[in-house]
Order: sequence, then structure tokens, then C-alpha cells
Amino acid sequence: AQTVTQSQPEMSVQEAETVTLSCTYDTSESNYYLFWYKQPPSRQMILVIRQEAYKQQNATENRFSVNFQKAAKSFSLKISDSQLGDTAMYFCAFSYSGNTPLVFGKGTRLSVIA
Amino acid sequence: ETGVTQTPRHLVMGMTNKKSLKCEQHLGHNAMYWYKQSAKKPLELMFVYNFKEQTENNSVPSRFSPECPNSSHLFLHLHTLQPEDSALYLCASSQDPEGSGELFFGEGSRLTVL
Repeated sequence: AQTVTQSQPEMSVQEAETVTLSCTYDTSESNYYLFWYKQPPSRQMILVIRQEAYKQQNATENRFSVNFQKAAKSFSLKISDSQLGDTAMYFCAFSYSGNTPLVFGKGTRLSVIA
Repeated sequence: ETGVTQTPRHLVMGMTNKKSLKCEQHLGHNAMYWYKQSAKKPLELMFVYNFKEQTENNSVPSRFSPECPNSSHLFLHLHTLQPEDSALYLCASSQDPEGSGELFFGEGSRLTVL
């Protein structure tokens, strides 16, 4: 079975600084998808960024980028120029190709401090 | 208007009550999901519906009863719940379960069982 591990229950970062959230996963599959979702306080969960395992290039979405290390089964999220609106729970998730639904980690609570 | 709408947002019920959670998606998706979100635990998949047919029941107790009358609506009927069932219940949809796995979430229904 696939598992997703987020080893940082809580993190904080100063506004405008950079922070990296860690995620590791376990699978025997070779083709799969990885996701980072953001859940702001009392608001819906939204997709931040997605990575296809067959792509070697790391995905980037504006201030959000990932460091995908397939051999190490690591998928970290880097947030640059952190903003107060980035305060949220961040969930790492996995699905293997052609078979959702997603398997989620426990989440990391990120606080951006002014 | 969000793509996935859940009602009620908050629900308090006794262990002998019967209540229902409702989810509606306006995205034209074919698959819908119920997840349970408890503090310090990964999101737990409960049920998956694809084209109104239940395709996954993740060992959920029978006191939770899903209903999917069409591809746009999903219900979770609740009966004789236990205090440990208190959690945030998230509804999600996707284009289809054979796709890349991206889910679109509602804001959740916060359930408290007394």
C-alpha cells in the first residue's frame, strides 16, 4: 500500500522568507502523480502544485516549487517570498496513474509571521 | 460560487439522531468522494462514486450511509454515531477516477457528536 509521510507537524516562517516542507512516500509503482494541497483556516482545500513522476523537471507555480527526488521518494515543497496568506495546512498526496483517489499525509501546519 | 458546495457547514448531533450531509458539484465531474479529516491524522477516504455507482467503500461502519442520486449530488446519511465520529467531513469531485488524480474539494461539514 502507498503511504505518505510528512515529518513536520508545524512550521513557521517570517514574511518574505523561504520555507521548505518535507514529504516522503512509499510505492513500488513507477508511474504516479504527486500533489501539494493547501487548506487555509476554515476554507476549502485547493491544489497548489502537481508533479508527474515520469517528468524529471521539477514543477513550478509562481512562488511554489517542488524538489522531486524519485530515487529517494522525496517530494518537498518550497515557498518563496512567503506571504501572510500562505498560512494554512499543507497536505502532500499521492496517486498512481489511472487510479485515484489520493492518499494523503497528515499535513504540516504553516504559519507565516509578519 | 465554489465548484463544490457542502451543507451544512456545522452540525451538532446526539448519538441517537439521524442527519444527512449534502454535497453538490458544479464542475461537470463524474466522480465524487467523501473523506474524513481528523486532527493529526491523514485524510481518510470513505466512499467513492463514479457515474453514480459506488466503486469504493473503505471499510466504513454502517452507521455512515452514502447516497449518490446523480453525478452532481452526494449525500452522507448519519445514524447512531459515536463521539469519535466527530470530525470534518470533506466532499470532493474529479473529472473521473481514472485521471491524474486532481481532486476539487468543498469547504467541509464540521460534525460534532455529543
